Amino acid sequence: NAGVTQTPKFRVLKTGQSMTLLCAQDMNHEYMYWYRQDPGMGLRLIHYSVGEGTTAKGEVPDGYNVSRLKKQNFLLGLESAAPSQTSVYFCASSYWQGATYGYTFGSGTRLTVV
Amino acid sequence: GDSVTQMEGPVTLSEEAFLTINCTYTATGYPSLFWYVQYPGEGLQLLLKATKADDKGSNKGFEATYRKETTSFHLEKGSVQVSDSAVYFCALTVNEKLTFGTGTRLTIIP
Repeated sequence: NAGVTQTPKFRVLKTGQSMTLLCAQDMNHEYMYWYRQDPGMGLRLIHYSVGEGTTAKGEVPDGYNVSRLKKQNFLLGLESAAPSQTSVYFCASSYWQGATYGYTFGSGTRLTVV
Repeated sequence: GDSVTQMEGPVTLSEEAFLTINCTYTATGYPSLFWYVQYPGEGLQLLLKATKADDKGSNKGFEATYRKETTSFHLEKGSVQVSDSAVYFCALTVNEKLTFGTGTRLTIIP
């Protein structure tokens, strides 16, 4: 099992450029998430999805868009990158285990906007 | 809203010392509580969890007890090793969303 796979692992963008981060999971999980990790701030939820075709805003959604056209994929888009979006991005998926949710995280994408 | 407050770091200890990392929470419902660990350059791994009051989660010598009366889930280990050096995150979930604390960087000196 590959688990949660994020593509790419590293990227450098110029201010104003656009890009899409891909998250793929092979565990048939219903729920998927995008987080960003910044020093001293932990992980903050950007957007999430509770099933194929659904998306919802998290804590810090501004400047990002997402899509979940297929159950196994969750895409995060930056339409016009800004230096404030320099961060490490983590994708996760989860399922209900009966008493709580079980989460699996990807290995992260390090994005630098110059 | 739901939130997690973690002991600020960094924390530096000598090998074999006793470790405590404090974590308190605020939640509107009945949360499940987690500790995640992040080793350098890697993603997050589940260390332990507890789903109801008075539950004790344990793994790899680490323990944490879900204390509803003090809304706490402090992480403890009796004798730390150099290999425990990492960033530790306390987290909670009430629904399907996982809310994290700010993380505590732990460094163990031989």
